[in-house]
Amino acid sequence: DVKVTQSSRYLVKRTGEKVFLECVQDMDHENMFWYRQDPGLGLRLIYFSYDVKMKEKGDIPEGYSVSREKKERFSLILESASTNQTSMYLCASIIRTGLGRTEAFFGQGTRLTVV
Amino acid sequence: DQQVKQNSPSLSVQEGRISILNCDYTNSMFDYFLWYKKYPAEGPTFLISISSIKDKNEDGRFTVFLNKSAKHLSLHIVPSQPGDSAVYFCAAGRSGSARQLTFGSGTQLTVLP
Repeated sequence: DVKVTQSSRYLVKRTGEKVFLECVQDMDHENMFWYRQDPGLGLRLIYFSYDVKMKEKGDIPEGYSVSREKKERFSLILESASTNQTSMYLCASIIRTGLGRTEAFFGQGTRLTVV
Repeated sequence: DQQVKQNSPSLSVQEGRISILNCDYTNSMFDYFLWYKKYPAEGPTFLISISSIKDKNEDGRFTVFLNKSAKHLSLHIVPSQPGDSAVYFCAAGRSGSARQLTFGSGTQLTVLP
């Protein structure tokens, strides 16, 4: 079974703090993604990475950065947390199967509250 | 510009009846589609997928139908069970795209006992 683990289930941070969200996958997948989920907006892509030290902006990268120093770990960084970054953050590890199908495996999510 | 749309934010169905969740897309380059299920405080889990070369895929109580001409897909759950109550996300992908998947906004399904 693929396992994607996010370091925290719940976090409360103050405005202006630097916040690190960690994600680790154990299946040697190359592609890893960070999404945020907000009511009525679904899953919005923040950043993704298709290899170590490689990163690409998603649809809403402003206020975020990422780090992929090792294949199994993909970190999301909020440089200076703001209240509009209060959200559920989901990390995913994605693989293309031999049938050409893509499947995403998600972590359990981190509910971040910025006060 | 939302390329994948789930126009119904919520749906309530009686236990034992059919649940039909709908999804529309605008990008004709998408060539595979997936449905994910999400319980509160958990990450989404894969449910079922379909390739654009098919118009139907079935897995137990879950069937996904694809109408390429209408750029529409639907997920049927028969019979619906209270444990099916969750948010369902439709996702679409394009072969060779590094972005991999585009998700819809989700539909909250409530199955009433």
